[in-house]
Amino acid sequence: GAVVSQHPSWVICKSGTSVKIECRSLDFQATTMFWYRQFPKQSLMLMATSNEGSKATYEQGVEKDKFLINHASLTLSTLTVTSAHPEDSSFYICSAPGGQGGFEQYFGPGTRLTVT
Amino acid sequence: QKEVEQDPGPLSVPEGAIVSLNCTYSNSAFQYFMWYRQYSRKGPELLMYTYSSGNKEDGRFTAQVDKSSKYISLFIRDSQPSDSATYLCAMNVGTDKLIFGTGTRLQVFP
Repeated sequence: GAVVSQHPSWVICKSGTSVKIECRSLDFQATTMFWYRQFPKQSLMLMATSNEGSKATYEQGVEKDKFLINHASLTLSTLTVTSAHPEDSSFYICSAPGGQGGFEQYFGPGTRLTVT
Repeated sequence: QKEVEQDPGPLSVPEGAIVSLNCTYSNSAFQYFMWYRQYSRKGPELLMYTYSSGNKEDGRFTAQVDKSSKYISLFIRDSQPSDSATYLCAMNVGTDKLIFGTGTRLQVFP
């Protein structure tokens, strides 16, 4: 149980375009999901907390107009990178709290974004 | 000072060795402590979680939490080449955002 999927697993886009990444909880409901980015050989950096039915909460330094988050249902959160630049190239990972206590977090497999 | 400190390694050990991975933290409110394993270009995989102080064992893995010292450890016995990965400690107060360590890269050679 507690499986989180992401789609796509990798994507290449041109500078200036937008790309959407989906995060789904497959066998449980998640009112909250988290979005991270990870640069090579570095740890995960929390970008924002996605809340079902309300606005996302962004971490300091993360541009909310550039990284649009929508949590439209209890099993789906999306991250849209708008007007992508090469420096946005990174590994984006989502997670959702699950398990018996609800404090364990389960991660998706990640999406590798390359902006050319 | 970072909330969670973790030695980035890399740590290189021979197959069969006992591996000790450690994290220290500064926030005494943390109650849930987790260890994740991340293979290259994959999402983190939850290995173990512990609530408050104490030990927890699962096969070759043992997690320890010492809240009085704000110190957590993960021990891997009889390490295998397949254990080669980055190990991340993480913790939180409850059902909120996790605070991660920087991760320790482990290499187990045959």
